[in-house]
Amino acid sequence: TQLLEQSPQFLSIQEGENLTVYCNSSSVFSSLQWYRQEPGEGPVLLVTVVTGGEVKKLKRLTFQFGDARKDSSLHITAAQPGDTGLYLCAGGSNYKLTFGKGTLLTVNP
Amino acid sequence: DAGVIQSPRHEVTEMGQEVTLRCKPISGHDYLFWYRQTMMRGLELLIYFNNNVPIDDSGMPEDRFSAKMPNASFSTLKIQPSEPRDSAVYFCASTRAGGSYEQYFGPGTRLTVT
Repeated sequence: TQLLEQSPQFLSIQEGENLTVYCNSSSVFSSLQWYRQEPGEGPVLLVTVVTGGEVKKLKRLTFQFGDARKDSSLHITAAQPGDTGLYLCAGGSNYKLTFGKGTLLTVNP
Repeated sequence: DAGVIQSPRHEVTEMGQEVTLRCKPISGHDYLFWYRQTMMRGLELLIYFNNNVPIDDSGMPEDRFSAKMPNASFSTLKIQPSEPRDSAVYFCASTRAGGSYEQYFGPGTRLTVT
């Protein structure tokens, strides 16, 4: 069974701070996705990374896939209250995804 | 375009009752997934279909759970009999073959079994 561990589990910061959350596994994934979930809604895809060492940027969010394709990180610069939510990573083999338990981020005004 | 539609949004039932959750995937998507989310276990894949055929049901917790997809636009997840430990949010998601593997999730059904 492939497992994904996310850290930290909870993170509460002030508006304007930077943060990094992590997603680690002992298994290799062909792709890794990051989703954000807001209360009462389903997860929404932020990014997919496929190549080891790949870095993708989405405005203030920077995603990195580890060289060995076993881990990933999400860095947010100058966090805003609108970034508040549950951040989930998901490792994929074809169409089947395994999700981590997520990092619950709260950005306080 | 409409997203993934799930019904009901909330369901409260008593232990022992049958529960049926419904999902309409995005038109043109040929993969459909059922997930369960709890605080303790996170988001778990229960079963997924491709072209209405179940491909992997290894996540279905036990025989009380069953899922069907009679056509490309409808799927059900049934729990019979329901138990308090089945209380969770159940999500349906869909995607299309040949894409980026992005899964589009519905809003979920919050099930409470008392």
